[in-house]
Amino acid sequence: AQSVTQLGSHVSVSEGALVLLRCNYSSSVPPYLFWYVQYPNQGLQLLLKYTSAATLVKGINGFEAEFKKSETSFHLTNPSAHMSDAAEYFCAVSENNDMRFGAGTRLTVKP
Amino acid sequence: NAGVTQTPKFQVLKTGQSMTLQCAQDMNHNSMYWYRQDPGMGLRLIYYSASEGTTDKGEVPNGYNVSRLNKREFSLRLESAAPSQTSVYFCASSALGVYNEQFFGPGTRLTVL
Repeated sequence: AQSVTQLGSHVSVSEGALVLLRCNYSSSVPPYLFWYVQYPNQGLQLLLKYTSAATLVKGINGFEAEFKKSETSFHLTNPSAHMSDAAEYFCAVSENNDMRFGAGTRLTVKP
Repeated sequence: NAGVTQTPKFQVLKTGQSMTLQCAQDMNHNSMYWYRQDPGMGLRLIYYSASEGTTDKGEVPNGYNVSRLNKREFSLRLESAAPSQTSVYFCASSALGVYNEQFFGPGTRLTVL
């Protein structure tokens, strides 16, 4: 079965700094990959998704992720963190009708 | 459109009590899902319904039952609640298709004493 590993349960950056959240996956077939964001006391919202088109995927709020097959990675980046980006971020991989989520990375943004 | 709605938002149960979590979506999606979220474990799939009239077990189905009442509604039942079922429960839905993008409800926070 497919699986996702998110490196780092907590990431802290200063406002305006680069954000890098790491995600590695395993999948027996070409994967569909997702990043979701969860703000406090809310459900998950889709940030972006990879569906085998362009390897660099742009999402909302300045986030983007690059699919690297050779590294089985789908890391999420944002060139400039905002206070409003503080949230928990989940990477997910989908095969057929089965989506598996990583454990999540909590992003803190310091003023 | 309300998207995915869940009731109740909060619930406290005693061990052994039963309850049903309700979920409804107004996006005409075929597939619906129930997840639980626990600290450090991400979301784990309890049950899903690929289409109306079908349900299948996910990663952690023990202690739960589901009903796909119609295309809009998918309920999750705890017959005899246990403290290990203390969690936040999310319902999600997706259109039938290979991308499987899921849309989530706001969650139900359940505490079992």
